[in-house]
Amino acid sequence: AQSVAQPEDQVNVAEGNPLTVKCTYSVSGNPYLFWYVQYPNRGLQFLLKYITGDNLVKGSYGFEAEFNKSQTSFHLKKPSALVSDSALYFCAVRDGGSGNTGKLIFGQGTTLQVKP
Amino acid sequence: DTAVSQTPKYLVTQMGNDKSIKCEQNLGHDTMYWYKQDSKKFLKIMFSYNNKELIINETVPNRFSPKSPDKAHLNLHINSLELGDSAVYFCASSQMLGQPQHFGDGTRLSIL
Repeated sequence: AQSVAQPEDQVNVAEGNPLTVKCTYSVSGNPYLFWYVQYPNRGLQFLLKYITGDNLVKGSYGFEAEFNKSQTSFHLKKPSALVSDSALYFCAVRDGGSGNTGKLIFGQGTTLQVKP
Repeated sequence: DTAVSQTPKYLVTQMGNDKSIKCEQNLGHDTMYWYKQDSKKFLKIMFSYNNKELIINETVPNRFSPKSPDKAHLNLHINSLELGDSAVYFCASSQMLGQPQHFGDGTRLSIL
């Protein structure tokens, strides 16, 4: 069965420092991986995805993520955090095998707090 | 111009009532979804429709019934509301199955 784990409920980082939000996954076929961000009282916003190709994926707002097949991880990174990056981040996986329905399984979310 | 819009934004009602939440997308997408986000922010798919056809129907009580009159709309009707139905319900759409999803801003349902 597909699953996604975000091991940290909260990540704290100082503005200007690099940030990493961790995600590990488990799927039966090739993984389709996504990161979304949710600001308070808003819906989720798509940041980036990995389907195939280069293991380093670049997305919106300066975020990037590194796909690591051997460690089944897809960590979200940003070289220099901004206070405005403070939000709830979700990792999600879709099984890339045949017969898929496009169903996403979401991790439990990680709150990123960037302090000035 | 809002891409995925849900109405109402807030819904406060009593146990046992029947209510509907409407969702419309103006992105020309083929696929639409309903999610439930609980008080711990955990997000779970409920339904999805592709070209008006039901694709995903998770283990959701029969009291929940989605209706898709056309590709741009996916409404959610809930019968006999229960306390446990209190949550934020999100509508989303994607160009096709498996593509990145665009979310509405949610409907916060509170059951008294």
